[in-house]
Amino acid sequence: EVQLVESGGGLVKPGGSLKLSCAASGFTFSDYYMYWVRQTPEKRLEWVATISDGGSYTYYPDSVKGRFTISRDNAKNNLYLQMSSLKSEDTAMYYCARARWMDYWGQGTSVTVSS
Amino acid sequence: DIVLTQSPASLAVSLGQRATISCRASESVDNYGISFMNWFQQKPGQPPKLLIYAASNQGSGVPARFSGSGSGTDFSLNIHPMEEDDTAMYFCQQSKEVPFTFGSGTKLEIK
Repeated sequence: EVQLVESGGGLVKPGGSLKLSCAASGFTFSDYYMYWVRQTPEKRLEWVATISDGGSYTYYPDSVKGRFTISRDNAKNNLYLQMSSLKSEDTAMYYCARARWMDYWGQGTSVTVSS
Repeated sequence: DIVLTQSPASLAVSLGQRATISCRASESVDNYGISFMNWFQQKPGQPPKLLIYAASNQGSGVPARFSGSGSGTDFSLNIHPMEEDDTAMYFCQQSKEVPFTFGSGTKLEIK
């Protein structure tokens, strides 16, 4: 059974940093591109980052480029999102998802950026 | 960026009837003979669930009453017959190119 379990969310002050993790199981993790997607309090869905199967290629929207870094450890079946210079507009539920079709999602981890 | 315009914003359909949700892209999402348009269902407190990928392919375990159609810039999600369990938010999403973008969502309820 494919499982994705996010962790690492919490309350952080503007300008602060946070690192999210996503533990994958039930499939060959190293075969898949992986994604981070967030859902704002207004329920809008936003793609946040993509990493290639081997980890060599990463992609970001302009809204997070230079502040967020996606990475992965294929030996540990883990996906990460390092977030820095956080802003109030980064407040959201963060999900990891598998593959271009986003066929499996985790339950999400909540990030609140507030002073 | 490819903008997805989803309509209607909300929809109420009687049990057993058809629900149709539309998604229009600001430019074609076709490439290599594939339409990179996907549909998701989301219920309160849950993550989105893939219903349809590549415009018309059902996701794993998705009931046959969910179907997708379209190509280029115009796509539809059909649900027929409508069941109680189909009450949810529905989102379209393009995965043709970065930045991947989502529609604003349609709230589907029972009439």
